[in-house]
Amino acid sequence: GAVVSQHPSWVICKSGTSVKIECRSLDFQATTMFWYRQFPKQSLMLMATSNEGSKATYEQGVEKDKFLINHASLTLSTLTVTSAHPEDSSFYICSANAGAQNYGYTFGSGTRLTVV
Amino acid sequence: GENVEQHPSTLSVQEGDSAVIKCTYSDSASNYFPWYKQELGKRPQLIIDIRSNVGEKKDQRIAVTLNKTAKHFSLHITETQPEDSAVYFCAASGNRGRRALTFGSGTRLQVQP
Repeated sequence: GAVVSQHPSWVICKSGTSVKIECRSLDFQATTMFWYRQFPKQSLMLMATSNEGSKATYEQGVEKDKFLINHASLTLSTLTVTSAHPEDSSFYICSANAGAQNYGYTFGSGTRLTVV
Repeated sequence: GENVEQHPSTLSVQEGDSAVIKCTYSDSASNYFPWYKQELGKRPQLIIDIRSNVGEKKDQRIAVTLNKTAKHFSLHITETQPEDSAVYFCAASGNRGRRALTFGSGTRLQVQP
C-alpha cells in the first residue's frame, strides 16, 4: 500500500531555533500534501495544503512566515517551524492522497515536537 | 469551509455492548466520510469509510451509516472488546481527495472488561 515516511518521529529543540520535518511519499507521487497539527487531547487541525511546485495554501490563523512549507518534488514535502516557541510544541502529521482517482489518504507517522 | 461536529466526546461501555458515535457535517459537497482510530502518539488508522452514493457499509463488527439529506453519519461498533478502547475521529472530504480531510473533535471510547 501507499506509504508516507515522516521524519523525525520526535524532536526536542531550544526556543528560538528552527526545526524541519520531512514527509516523503515512497511509492506514489504526492502532488498534494496536507499538514496537520494536533495538540494533546485535541483533533487534527489542518495547517496548510502544499502543492508540488507552487506556494502552499495556509489555513486561517496559521502564520506562513513561521511555518514554512516546501514541496519541491512529487515525493517530498517539508515543514519548517521557524523560531520555535514552547507554544509550538505539538504533534505534526502530514497526509497525502495516494488514490489515483478518488480517495486514499495516507498519513505519515507524525512528529512530536517539544520546544524547551 | 467544511465543519464536522462529533458526539459524544467520551463514551464508556461494557465489553460486549455496542458503541455508537455520531457526526454531522456542513458542506453538501462533501462525499467521502472516513472513520479513524488513533492510539496515543500514533497516526490515525482508517477503520472504515463510506462514500455519498452508499447509505450503509459494514465490515465485521464495524458499520457506518450515512444520511446525506440530514448531513450526518454514524459509526457503530458491536460486541466491543477492550482493545477497541482508543480515540475515534470522523472526517469529511470531497473533490476526489484533492481537498483535505476535516476532522471531528474525537471520541474517547473506553471499553470496560
